[in-house]
Amino acid sequence: ETGVTQSPTHLIKTRGQQVTLRCSSQSGHNTVSWYQQALGQGPQFIFQYYREEENGRGNFPPRFSGLQFPNYSSELNVNALELDDSALYLCASSLGAPSSGANVLTFGAGSRLTVL
Amino acid sequence: DQQVKQNSPSLSVQEGRISILNCDYTNSMFDYFLWYKKYPAEGPTFLISISSIKDKNEDGRFTVFLNKSAKHLSLHIVPSQPGDSAVYFCAASSSNDYKLSFGAGTTVTVRA
Repeated sequence: ETGVTQSPTHLIKTRGQQVTLRCSSQSGHNTVSWYQQALGQGPQFIFQYYREEENGRGNFPPRFSGLQFPNYSSELNVNALELDDSALYLCASSLGAPSSGANVLTFGAGSRLTVL
Repeated sequence: DQQVKQNSPSLSVQEGRISILNCDYTNSMFDYFLWYKKYPAEGPTFLISISSIKDKNEDGRFTVFLNKSAKHLSLHIVPSQPGDSAVYFCAASSSNDYKLSFGAGTTVTVRA
């Protein structure tokens, strides 16, 4: 079975630009979550998608948005980039009811975003 | 708000010895705890978990201990092997929540 794949692996943007990051979930997984990992910190929850709808959101502004497609793949969009958005963005997929914190997440390798 | 804390950013241990990683949490609603391991250029991978109804869970060389009254958990790796050199993240969630709260990670280096 294929794992979680993310693209691009690295990218550089300037302040004010917009970025789209993509994620293909593990085969059979129907829930996708996105996390931001800043340097020296643990991953921070951005939001989760289930059945193509946002199911929950962390403490991130509305300029962070996402989509989930019928094949369960997902996009993370960030508008009006700021320097502090520089981070590793991790996508994770899981199977089952998204309200259960007991679901084990399968993570991709991440997309490293640098904002100059 | 940092609800999960790993106060030791790094740990160096000799091959064959025990590695002990510690994690503290503040949210009393957390009832499920996980450890993830991360190699450079790879995503975190699930290692072991424990429910709050237990105080110990063991899987091969890895054992997680949970002390609910102290809001503390630890991961024991014995014996430590060079392939265990990685960043270890402690994570927690509540059974009716959809997100994981992570600690900042502990970098383990196993010396030959």
